[in-house]
Amino acid sequence: DTAVSQTPKYLVTQMGNDKSIKCEQNLGHDTMYWYKQDSKKFLKIMFSYNNKELIINETVPNRFSPKSPDKAHLNLHINSLELGDSAVYFCASSQVREGYNEQFFGPGTRLTVL
Amino acid sequence: QQQVKQSPQSLIVQKGGISIINCAYENTAFDYFPWYQQFPGKGPALLIAIRPDVSEKKEGRFTISFNKSAKQFSLHIMDSQPGDSATYFCAAGTDSWGKFQFGAGTQVVVTP
Repeated sequence: DTAVSQTPKYLVTQMGNDKSIKCEQNLGHDTMYWYKQDSKKFLKIMFSYNNKELIINETVPNRFSPKSPDKAHLNLHINSLELGDSAVYFCASSQVREGYNEQFFGPGTRLTVL
Repeated sequence: QQQVKQSPQSLIVQKGGISIINCAYENTAFDYFPWYQQFPGKGPALLIAIRPDVSEKKEGRFTISFNKSAKQFSLHIMDSQPGDSATYFCAAGTDSWGKFQFGAGTQVVVTP
């Protein structure tokens, strides 16, 4: 299946731990993103990479570090997890089609910090 | 600071009715306005998008109306169906790198 995939789908962990979320897209897109969706469903962009280069870096604590080993993968590592990090994290990739930037989202990773 | 304001927060519409969701933006540099549809447990999916050089765009039962002078745009879902029950997000941004500001979302429930 052509898609944006994320692992794991659910992640439950203790405060202070370090965790990673992996994302892969096989759509051939050059640009990938990480979004955070909070408990009120508010979606906020965190990072974007284009061809492995960081192009968007929003005001995100430096405990969050994205890594793009190649243009098909964008992983998110989070250090010293805090309660407020609990959210659903979405990976996305994009293409420009008919002049429009179309973003394809993954299924999300629900992170719960206890 | 939320640059895109979306209303209502939720709405209930009967099957066959019209759902209308409104968004307002502040940044006049925005030149791309997509709408996303999100079902529970899934990621958002692009539904329809518009640029400010047109005032309306229609795709099937979904229509975006755009008012550049008022800095407002809206989504109309005609002949609403139960399968349209989802959360809808408007967004706005400059299209260069896909950096969008999202609205807070509207939960639409279509009753049979």
